[in-house]
Amino acid sequence: DGGITQSPKYLFRKEGQNVTLSCEQNLNHDAMYWYRQDPGQGLRLIYYSQIVNDFQKGDIAEGYSVSREKKESFPLTVTSAQKNPTAFYLCASSISPGGHEQFFGPGTRLTVL
Amino acid sequence: KQEVTQIPAALSVPEGENLVLNCSFTDSAIYNLQWFRQDPGKGLTSLLLIQSSQREQTSGRLNASLDKSSGRSTLYIAASQPGDSATYLCAVVDQAGTALIFGKGTTLSVSS
Repeated sequence: DGGITQSPKYLFRKEGQNVTLSCEQNLNHDAMYWYRQDPGQGLRLIYYSQIVNDFQKGDIAEGYSVSREKKESFPLTVTSAQKNPTAFYLCASSISPGGHEQFFGPGTRLTVL
Repeated sequence: KQEVTQIPAALSVPEGENLVLNCSFTDSAIYNLQWFRQDPGKGLTSLLLIQSSQREQTSGRLNASLDKSSGRSTLYIAASQPGDSATYLCAVVDQAGTALIFGKGTTLSVSS
């Protein structure tokens, strides 16, 4: 069953902690993306990766880091430098960069305690 | 900088009505436009993708149109059902072809 999985579904972080959100896809897609969604706002791009071992900053990359060591995996780390990390985080993928249809995972809701 | 606007922000209709959701974008130089559905607390489900060279796409009761020159797209939902209740998001990929730029969405409520 092809698709995108994200874990965990809910995540709680204490101030000063780093946390890592998982995103895995078995669609054989080259491109992967991380978006952040806040209430009343549109989704905003954090990072994207067009190919393994390559990634680029999006509009709101400060306080976040990523890696792309495998084609199917694109984990996002929310560092303590991110001052307002409480949000809904969505991972997406597309067969290649350059405007192909994007497919989304179920999301991870991160709350700072 | 590309900006995407969706009007209205919320819409309530009785079951059976045909309805139109609007999306506008400021820069007509786009790769494509994608419509999504989002249920509360869930991820996004892709509904329709319109390439920049296309004028419309259809899937079941849904029809999306694209007018690049005027920077507009509409999503037409025929014979609405309570199960259509959700937030509908419009997004464009600009000419750089990197990632989607989203509107804030239209929240639709269909009453039985």
